[in-house]
Amino acid sequence: KAGVTQTPRYLIKTRGQQVTLSCSPISGHRSVSWYQQTPGQGLQFLFEYFSETQRNKGNFPGRFSGRQFSNSRSEMNVSTLELGDSALYLCASSLATGAGNSPLHFGNGTRLTVT
Amino acid sequence: DQQVKQNSPSLSVQEGRISILNCDYTNSMFDYFLWYKKYPAEGPTFLISISSIKDKNEDGRFTVFLNKSAKHLSLHIVPSQPGDSAVYFCAARIGDDKIIFGKGTRLHILP
Repeated sequence: KAGVTQTPRYLIKTRGQQVTLSCSPISGHRSVSWYQQTPGQGLQFLFEYFSETQRNKGNFPGRFSGRQFSNSRSEMNVSTLELGDSALYLCASSLATGAGNSPLHFGNGTRLTVT
Repeated sequence: DQQVKQNSPSLSVQEGRISILNCDYTNSMFDYFLWYKKYPAEGPTFLISISSIKDKNEDGRFTVFLNKSAKHLSLHIVPSQPGDSAVYFCAARIGDDKIIFGKGTRLHILP
């Protein structure tokens, strides 16, 4: 079974630009979550989608948005990029809502560098 | 505020010995705890979890202990192997709410 696929793997953008990251979950998984990883900050939750609906949202500004399509694929968008947005963005999928008996399966992430 | 804390940024352990990774939490409402392992350039992979109604869960070389009164959990790896060198994240959640991760502990297994 194919794992979670994130594209692109690496991205370099300039301040002020916007970016769209893509995530294809494991087949059959309906929940997709997004996390930001920066040095010293661990994994910070961005949002979670289930059946095209945003179920949970983290404490990030409105410049960060996402959506989920009917095939469970998800995209996240960051507008008006800032230097501090440079990070590894991780997508994870799960069968249900990522509860204990349905752990998250992560992709390898998109490394975003903002210059 | 940081609800899940991993106070040791790194830990070095001799191969074959026991590795103990610690995690503290502040929210007594957490009902599920998970450990993830991450290698460089890869996403985290699920390792082991424990429900708040239990105090121990074992899976092969990995055992997680939960002390609810102290709001503390630990991951024991016995025996430690070179492939265990990675960053370990502790995580917790309430029901089907978002999963909250700690900042991670980098484990080095020494030959």
